[in-house]
Amino acid sequence: AQTVTQSQPEMSVQEAETVTLSCTYDTSENNYYLFWYKQPPSRQMILVIRQEAYKQQNATENRFSVNFQKAAKSFSLKISDSQLGDTAMYFCAFMKQSGNNDMRFGAGTRLTVKP
Amino acid sequence: EAEVAQSPRYKITEKSQAVAFWCDPISGHATLYWYRQILGQGPELLVQFQDESVVDDSQLPKDRFSAERLKGVDSTLKIQPAELGDSAMYLCASSWGAENSPLHFGNGTRLTVT
Repeated sequence: AQTVTQSQPEMSVQEAETVTLSCTYDTSENNYYLFWYKQPPSRQMILVIRQEAYKQQNATENRFSVNFQKAAKSFSLKISDSQLGDTAMYFCAFMKQSGNNDMRFGAGTRLTVKP
Repeated sequence: EAEVAQSPRYKITEKSQAVAFWCDPISGHATLYWYRQILGQGPELLVQFQDESVVDDSQLPKDRFSAERLKGVDSTLKIQPAELGDSAMYLCASSWGAENSPLHFGNGTRLTVT
């Protein structure tokens, strides 16, 4: 079974600074996908960024980028130039390439951006 | 942009009562998921549909929970009887079902059992 671990229950960062959220996962699969989702307070969960395990290049979406270390089974999210609107719960998620496309989530990291 | 619709947004019920949640996925999305999210934790999959068929309900407490997606479009999740421990956010998500398809989530239904 696949497990996703987020070891930082809460983090905070000053506006305009950079913050990195950690995620590790455990799998015996070689091909899979990794995701970061954002859940703002009282709002729906939205996709931030995704990474295919077969790609060596780290994914980037504007101010969001990942550091994917396949051998270490690590998938951290870096948020640059943090904005107040980045305040949210962030969930790391795993999906096998083979199988029925079920997605497994970590416990989440609560990020607070301070003015 | 198309969204996953869920209702109700909030539900308060007494234990031992029946409760039902509804989800309408994004049009054309073949795969529909029901997740339960306990406060402070990540979502946990309850049931997954591919069209009208259940593909994974291994984590669904079948003695009290049931889910259906009769026409392969919208879906209903039911709890009968509700227990105090069922208090949580119930999230519905949908995807195209193709490999690497991201999940699109609804706003969720927050259930409080008293």
